[in-house]
Amino acid sequence: GQQLNQSPQSMFIQEGEDVSMNCTSSSIFNTWLWYKQDPGEGPVLLIALYKAGELTSNGRLTAQFGITRKDSFLNISASIPSDVGIYFCAGPNRDDKIIFGKGTRLHILP
Amino acid sequence: KAGVTQTPRYLIKTRGQQVTLSCSPISGHRSVSWYQQTPGQGLQFLFEYFSETQRNKGNFPGRFSGRQFSNSRSEMNVSTLELGDSALYLCASSRSPGQLTLNTEAFFGQGTRLTVV
Repeated sequence: GQQLNQSPQSMFIQEGEDVSMNCTSSSIFNTWLWYKQDPGEGPVLLIALYKAGELTSNGRLTAQFGITRKDSFLNISASIPSDVGIYFCAGPNRDDKIIFGKGTRLHILP
Repeated sequence: KAGVTQTPRYLIKTRGQQVTLSCSPISGHRSVSWYQQTPGQGLQFLFEYFSETQRNKGNFPGRFSGRQFSNSRSEMNVSTLELGDSALYLCASSRSPGQLTLNTEAFFGQGTRLTVV
């Protein structure tokens, strides 16, 4: 079935650094969603992308819908401690069920 | 405006037992989706309910079932629990069914952490 592969699985960065993570699939997606999950909380939707090539920002976050419709990227600029968490990409499969990647865990070193 | 409320937050059950989890959506939201989250498999879609009808279902065995009431509150039930059912169970509510996007204002609850021993 359709799967979403996220990389890297985890990242250790210094506060203030920029972060890049991506999500790829072997099949086409028509919508890409990026969520963040804090410890003990449910995921929160950060950015939704609807068109190939679309670049969308939400504060320090920027996400892009890949031209091939098989990938998406999330960038975080000037990271701060509250950026720590797990970032998931997601999208509706051909059965209209939302499937999620396994997440990128972001750690920020003091 | 109250968020999505899931009860209980934590639960410990033994193998073979059954369990019922509850989700109260945000007022005015009629769609409720359930997900299972485990370290190995990540977030997996269980089912979605809209207006008391199951609209979509994931690839889980029949031991996993759910329902939705007229006030949009939803319950999911797992019978004959197995060790592998230990997970965080999340529900998400939105005004309308289908894709979880900003347009549908979907919100997740904090989840119920189920441990099967």
